[in-house]
Amino acid sequence: GENVEQHPSTLSVQEGDSAVIKCTYSDSASNYFPWYKQELGKRPQLIIDIRSNVGEKKDQRIAVTLNKTAKHFSLHITETQPEDSAVYFCAARGIIQGAQKLVFGQGTRLTINP
Amino acid sequence: DTEVTQTPKHLVMGMTNKKSLKCEQHMGHRAMYWYKQKAKKPPELMFVYSYEKLSINESVPSRFSPECPNSSLLNLHLHALQPEDSALYLCASSQPIKDRYGYTFGSGTRLTVV
Repeated sequence: GENVEQHPSTLSVQEGDSAVIKCTYSDSASNYFPWYKQELGKRPQLIIDIRSNVGEKKDQRIAVTLNKTAKHFSLHITETQPEDSAVYFCAARGIIQGAQKLVFGQGTRLTINP
Repeated sequence: DTEVTQTPKHLVMGMTNKKSLKCEQHMGHRAMYWYKQKAKKPPELMFVYSYEKLSINESVPSRFSPECPNSSLLNLHLHALQPEDSALYLCASSQPIKDRYGYTFGSGTRLTVV
């Protein structure tokens, strides 16, 4: 089955600097890669996603890149702000028996220092 | 309506109790999921229903019993749980068709087993 590795597990950056989180996946059939932000005690919230036929996607300060050959994808946050502090999960999606199955990375705790 | 609604938000139950978690969506999604999330860990898939039929059971103990009465509702029946079952239980829904993307999480039920 799919296995997703995520690094680093913790990341601390100064406000205004950039943050990068990296993930690798194992199943070449996976074709959809979402990123979720989870604040303490709340649900995971989708912040950006990328499909396997696209190499890069950007939404304001957030961007995601995908390298299908190397089976890795990354989240880039620029001009970080204190409200970006949260746990971020990457995920890879496969299709099993007609349903989506998301497999999550272990998460990155991002702290933005003022 | 673009939400997945879970009730109750919090639940405390004894090891001999029987309780149920409920999940409802009105987005026309035909796949629904139960995830379990322990503190500081990623969500772990428990069950997947596709077109109201159980399609994936990730070797979950029988003290957890899912039910999908119709395309909008998903229940998780709990019986004889253990303290280690205390966690955040997340429901999610999506379109099961492989070309449809999007995976919406509910706000979760925080379960404490005493």
